[in-house]
Amino acid sequence: AQKITQTQPGMFVQEKEAVTLDCTYDTSDPSYGLFWYKQPSSGEMIFLIYQGSYDQQNATEGRYSLNFQKARKSANLVISASQLGDSAMYFCAMREDQEAGTALIFGKGTTLSVSS
Amino acid sequence: DGGITQSPKYLFRKEGQNVTLSCEQNLNHDAMYWYRQDPGQGLRLIYYSQIVNDFQKGDIAEGYSVSREKKESFPLTVTSAQKNPTAFYLCASNEKWDRVNYGYTFGSGTRLTVV
Repeated sequence: AQKITQTQPGMFVQEKEAVTLDCTYDTSDPSYGLFWYKQPSSGEMIFLIYQGSYDQQNATEGRYSLNFQKARKSANLVISASQLGDSAMYFCAMREDQEAGTALIFGKGTTLSVSS
Repeated sequence: DGGITQSPKYLFRKEGQNVTLSCEQNLNHDAMYWYRQDPGQGLRLIYYSQIVNDFQKGDIAEGYSVSREKKESFPLTVTSAQKNPTAFYLCASNEKWDRVNYGYTFGSGTRLTVV
């Protein structure tokens, strides 16, 4: 079974609109971390935001916020006021404490296209 | 500036050849990782290393080999046993391999094409 599921292969949004990118995860570990990365067409992976499983508040970083619903095991990324430069692929990823020696597990990604 | 350098950016391999992808970091990070990215597949883990002279297989290690002789370097060799090596390869490092709240720093990737 997939540990990270991103069900939206592609999303389209107009400039200045908000967009939500979905991510659900599967773990039995009570301690884990959730990450979102952005990958522009150039290929590098850019860290956007982090949410810990014990964090009481949803994480925010500028225009990025994470809608963390622990009971539903979802960690959706919300981008407010989209910009043309937000067009990229977005990956949700997880690290589990019991498996802390192992690597980040990634979803298959969502391609976001922002139009003017 | 500290970071991860991957080279070359583009690499072409003939059938039956071994090729080595370079990954160097000056972040003093203990852990290093290699991922493979195919369209629609996300990132899949090939190998990782938490300490010098030690490494572990990831989910898709067959046809690949690595070494970790120095903390700064984690080269990946794509052997002729890898039947479908055309992909984008990303190297990453992590300061604290045992802490869930530490994310990764990535290199800019190597695009390997079999010709």
